[in-house]
Amino acid sequence: EDQVTQSPEALRLQEGESSSLNCSYTVSGLRGLFWYRQDPGKGPEFLFTLYSAGEEKEKERLKATLTKKESFLHITAPKPEDSATYLCAVHNNAGNMLTFGGGTRLMVKP
Amino acid sequence: NAGVTQTPKFQVLKTGQSMTLQCAQDMNHNSMYWYRQDPGMGLRLIYYSASEGTTDKGEVPNGYNVSRLNKREFSLRLESAAPSQTSVYFCASSTITDTQYFGPGTRLTVL
Repeated sequence: EDQVTQSPEALRLQEGESSSLNCSYTVSGLRGLFWYRQDPGKGPEFLFTLYSAGEEKEKERLKATLTKKESFLHITAPKPEDSATYLCAVHNNAGNMLTFGGGTRLMVKP
Repeated sequence: NAGVTQTPKFQVLKTGQSMTLQCAQDMNHNSMYWYRQDPGMGLRLIYYSASEGTTDKGEVPNGYNVSRLNKREFSLRLESAAPSQTSVYFCASSTITDTQYFGPGTRLTVL
């Protein structure tokens, strides 16, 4: 059974204070690892897909990296508008389903 | 290009009532999904449709039925609502590369 664990559950940062969010996973053959951003009262918004260990993707202040056991979402010099819940999910080779982690709630104070 | 749309946005039901949640996508995606999101439980898959004419159970299908009406539309039906079905429901559709795009959600309360 695929499992995804995200840590920490909540993270408070000052504006400009860089940090990383962790997504640890076990999966029977990784087909893809996905990062989403979710704002309160809204649906998840797609950020990145990573397919193989060593892969990295960037978008503005966010950079996602992937190893064989975990993925990190690095946030550089965050701004208050980066405050949201960040979700990680994995897709295995066998089926059509994503398995989601519980998310990390990020709060960036001005 | 509206992406994934869901109706209604909010709904309050009494125990035992029935309702259908509607979902439509205009991105020409083959696959569509229904999830529920509960505090402390994350997003859990209820049903999915890999292509028009097919549907399959996800992690938590009990108490729900689905219909893939055509390539654009995928509906979720609660035949006899229970308080345990109080949740936020999200519809999603996916590309051939498996990236799923989500709708804005339906917030359902069952009294």
